[in-house]
Amino acid sequence: GQNIDQPTEMTATEGAIVQINCTYQTSGFNGLFWYQQHAGEAPTFLSYNVLDGLEEKGRFSSFLSRSKGYSYLLLKELQMKDSASYLCAVRDSNYQLIWGAGTKLIIKP
Amino acid sequence: ETGVTQTPRHLVMGMTNKKSLKCEQHLGHNAMYWYKQSAKKPLELMFVYNFKEQTENNSVPSRFSPECPNSSHLFLHLHTLQPEDSALYLCASSKEGGGVGSETQYFGPGTRLLVL
Repeated sequence: GQNIDQPTEMTATEGAIVQINCTYQTSGFNGLFWYQQHAGEAPTFLSYNVLDGLEEKGRFSSFLSRSKGYSYLLLKELQMKDSASYLCAVRDSNYQLIWGAGTKLIIKP
Repeated sequence: ETGVTQTPRHLVMGMTNKKSLKCEQHLGHNAMYWYKQSAKKPLELMFVYNFKEQTENNSVPSRFSPECPNSSHLFLHLHTLQPEDSALYLCASSKEGGGVGSETQYFGPGTRLLVL
């Protein structure tokens, strides 16, 4: 079967750095997405990786290793507004998105 | 504001009611999706419409009936639901066929449904 694994919950301190990991086993690979979802709101697109390596976008970076079936989302200079759930999703060989259950990130002052 | 709107935002219905959820996208996309999101579970894809044709129906019970009259509008008709259908229903849209990386899905705020 197809599977996306990410931690259920993480806690970090304001101003610090946090890394949210995502491992996947899918039938084929056509890109990996990270979304942010605040409670009661729509998931919003953060990043897309299809080639190995690091993609940096301001305070957020996303890394992909296709050979290891692994990605991480790195958040720097954490702010209270970064408290949210972070969803990892992989597009499989049928171009269907397979979703992880999300990682709830709690930021403490 | 992602360019995808959904109404209503909240809905409470009895098991014998009939209601409809509406989604509209203002992004010029050609594919639209219905997802179910339950607490601590991955998003579950329910239906996909690509160029107004239904291309996916992931074993969804017949008490959920989608309708896509044009590429900007998507409905989910609900009838005789069960309490376990209570969840957040999300609509999304994307532009398919525009090249790798262009198929990012953009979500609406969702309808929080409670079935009593």
